[in-house]
Amino acid sequence: GQNIDQPTEMTATEGAIVQINCTYQTSGFNGLFWYQQHAGEAPTFLSYNVLDGLEEKGRFSSFLSRSKGYSYLLLKELQMKDSASYLCAVRDSNYQLIWGAGTKLIIKP
Amino acid sequence: TAGITQAPTSQILAAGRSMTLRCTQDMRHNAMYWYRQDLGLGLRLIHYSNTAGTTGKGEVPDGYSVSRANTDDFPLTLASAVPSQTSVYFCASSDRPSGEQFFGPGTRLTVL
Repeated sequence: GQNIDQPTEMTATEGAIVQINCTYQTSGFNGLFWYQQHAGEAPTFLSYNVLDGLEEKGRFSSFLSRSKGYSYLLLKELQMKDSASYLCAVRDSNYQLIWGAGTKLIIKP
Repeated sequence: TAGITQAPTSQILAAGRSMTLRCTQDMRHNAMYWYRQDLGLGLRLIHYSNTAGTTGKGEVPDGYSVSRANTDDFPLTLASAVPSQTSVYFCASSDRPSGEQFFGPGTRLTVL
């Protein structure tokens, strides 16, 4: 079967750095996405990795290791507005997105 | 530009009744998707359409039907609602099946 695993919840302090991990087992791999979802709102796109390595975009970076079936999202200089759920999704061999349940990130002052 | 709109925002529906959730995009995207999101679970694909005139089944299609008569609209119909269909429904679109997906604001449906 196909499976995406992420921690259910994480807590971090404003101004700090947090790493959210995602491991996956899917039938085929055609890229990995990270989305941000604030409570009661729609998911919004953060990053995309298809090759191994680190993709940096401002305060957010995403890393992929295809051989390990592993990705992480790194958030730097945390702000209160970063409190949200972070969703990991893998595009499988049928080009469908398989989604993790999401990691709820709580930022404390 | 509105992006993707969904209607209604929320709805309470009696079991056994039918309902159509509406989704419209103005980005001229070819691909569109319907997901449901339940607490503790990831988004699950119900149906998709890679281009106008074609549709396909996702992970959880039973009890739902879709049509794609034109590029902009992708309605989702529940023929006879059951309580297990209580969920938040998101419509999404992308310019191509391999592209980033953009999401509508969602419809919160409660079936009693």
